[in-house]
Amino acid sequence: SQTIHQWPATLVQPVGSPLSLECTVEGTSNPNLYWYRQAAGRGLQLLFYSVGIGQISSEVPQNLSASRPQDRQFILSSKKLLLSDSGFYLCAWARSNQPQHFGDGTRLSIL
Amino acid sequence: GQSLEQPSEVTAVEGAIVQINCTYQTSGFYGLSWYQQHDGGAPTFLSYNALDGLEETGRFSSFLSRSDSYGYLLLQELQMKDSASYFCAVKASGNTGKLIFGQGTTLQVKP
Repeated sequence: SQTIHQWPATLVQPVGSPLSLECTVEGTSNPNLYWYRQAAGRGLQLLFYSVGIGQISSEVPQNLSASRPQDRQFILSSKKLLLSDSGFYLCAWARSNQPQHFGDGTRLSIL
Repeated sequence: GQSLEQPSEVTAVEGAIVQINCTYQTSGFYGLSWYQQHDGGAPTFLSYNALDGLEETGRFSSFLSRSDSYGYLLLQELQMKDSASYFCAVKASGNTGKLIFGQGTTLQVKP
């Protein structure tokens, strides 16, 4: 069966520090991968998606970037975090025409 | 623009039936999904409608009318554990599987 792993679960970072969140999927190949951010009490906003290695599409202009160095690995990064980057970050995967399945998320607080 | 509208809060008692509506306006439409999210947790997939009509999965059913740009999630025999946020999401692209989420409906089930 397929599983998706995200880490860390919780992260507290100072403003201006770098960020790297990792997501890996097991049990499938060539999945579509997605990064979402969720503000408290709000819906999910799609940040990036990838349909293959090295292929990244950005949905909203922001302070973040994403990379897909391997088929089942998706990384969300920032060189300098802003206060507004706080939120709940969720990674998801899907096979074509199948529902998206989410990881457990990373709760990021910027101080 | 692209938007999904759903009620922000719904309250019901245990054993009752509740319907959560979702209307959408998007540039692409390939289907409507529903996700459940408990406090602090990740969204979990509930149902998906690509064609008009009713889909039933146990106590949960989902309906879609593409001509009305409208769908709903029906929860029957409500249980306390159904207290959660429910999100509708439009699949806006066929090959990338991009989802556009509504802001969510918080369902509170009372004894």
